[in-house]
Amino acid sequence: AQSVTQLDSHVSVSEGTPVLLRCNYSSSYSPSLFWYVQHPNKGLQLLLKYTSAATLVKGINGFEAEFKKSETSFHLTKPSAHMSDAAEYFCVVSGGSNYKLTFGKGTLLTVNP
Amino acid sequence: DTEVTQTPKHLVMGMTNKKSLKCEQHMGHRAMYWYKQKAKKPPELMFVYSYEKLSINESVPSRFSPECPNSSLLNLHLHALQPEDSALYLCASSQEGAGGTTDTQYFGPGTRLTVL
Repeated sequence: AQSVTQLDSHVSVSEGTPVLLRCNYSSSYSPSLFWYVQHPNKGLQLLLKYTSAATLVKGINGFEAEFKKSETSFHLTKPSAHMSDAAEYFCVVSGGSNYKLTFGKGTLLTVNP
Repeated sequence: DTEVTQTPKHLVMGMTNKKSLKCEQHMGHRAMYWYKQKAKKPPELMFVYSYEKLSINESVPSRFSPECPNSSLLNLHLHALQPEDSALYLCASSQEGAGGTTDTQYFGPGTRLTVL
């Protein structure tokens, strides 16, 4: 069995300040972990993925995430927020069950000017 | 290119109508998916096709009928829907069709469905 907990339902930052979106996971298998972003009324766009290679994963648009097995965490960070980063972010785990992804409940990121 | 396309972008239908949603990918992916997403919720898996065969049906009501005419196309036929079926319907695809659990799913932009 696997689960994902996104620790914040809403994060608000000012433009130009760092972003931290927190995600903890539970999995009986060696998981693959993903972060997806969804802008309003759009589909999900892959930001980055971890598949047991480097623990620090770099994604698109300046985002990165660090896989910490001891803490079962996969937090998403960005050094400097941009207005266009305002969106819903989903932490996702796969593994063990064919095709099925387990989604977190999402974190809404608001970026203030 | 990691593009999945979906048509139409928006669809409004009555409860007695029959309509279809279409999804297309040209990445050579062998697994394709339908998800339903309600507002402020994560996507929920509905169906999975692997090598053009239905692999997973998540106990979806029969008023939703999927079809995979070929490896690039996925349809979702809709009939006698209810207002609570109004949602964003997302299509996705992934490379391996044999249960590769690390495969990345690439999502389309979705069809916004409203049932009156």
